[in-house]
Amino acid sequence: EPEVTQTPSHQVTQMGQEVILRCVPISNHLYFYWYRQILGQKVEFLVSFYNNEISEKSEIFDDQFSVERPDGSNFTLKIRSTKLEDSAMYFCASRGQYGYTFGSGTRLTVV
Amino acid sequence: AQTVTQSQPEMSVQEAETVTLSCTYDTSENNYYLFWYKQPPSRQMILVIRQEAYKQQNATENRFSVNFQKAAKSFSLKISDSQLGDTAMYFCAFSTLAGANSKLTFGKGITLSVRP
Repeated sequence: EPEVTQTPSHQVTQMGQEVILRCVPISNHLYFYWYRQILGQKVEFLVSFYNNEISEKSEIFDDQFSVERPDGSNFTLKIRSTKLEDSAMYFCASRGQYGYTFGSGTRLTVV
Repeated sequence: AQTVTQSQPEMSVQEAETVTLSCTYDTSENNYYLFWYKQPPSRQMILVIRQEAYKQQNATENRFSVNFQKAAKSFSLKISDSQLGDTAMYFCAFSTLAGANSKLTFGKGITLSVRP
């Protein structure tokens, strides 16, 4: 069964550093997403991406965040200058005809 | 905007028993999809079951079934013959699955514990 692959599974970074979270969506899916889940809390929408551009973003997705699909397979989320409150689980998802498939997530810890 | 409400923060059930997890939603859309996702301690998001709003028949997937009440905007998940591996957080979610602006909107989740 096709999978969404996320790397790394866990990343620890110092406050103020830049991080890039990587995702390989399912190859024939056209819509891509990033979600965030602070430990034990609700899964929150960050951004959706279609046709090489952002189609929607939430209030959380401020100027510190950016996404791109640099090579037609990878889909990345960049956080320019991490804050302590960015510590969370970040999920990538891609959408096909029948629904959404999630990656296994990247646990980001900002210290 | 769509909202999804899961009002029970946690539930507990004895192994082999049946448990029902509640979910309500609000939308002005007529065509949409509802989902239940399971998040075990590994924190992976696993699709449990999906319901299309245009289908009157409730979806079933082995031990998992839903009670979809469109007029009441209610979408509960029934787990039969509960197993220890069902212990997890369960999220109810909504999506239109149409167009570039479609996305999943999640409820707050419910923590289910299955007791041996």
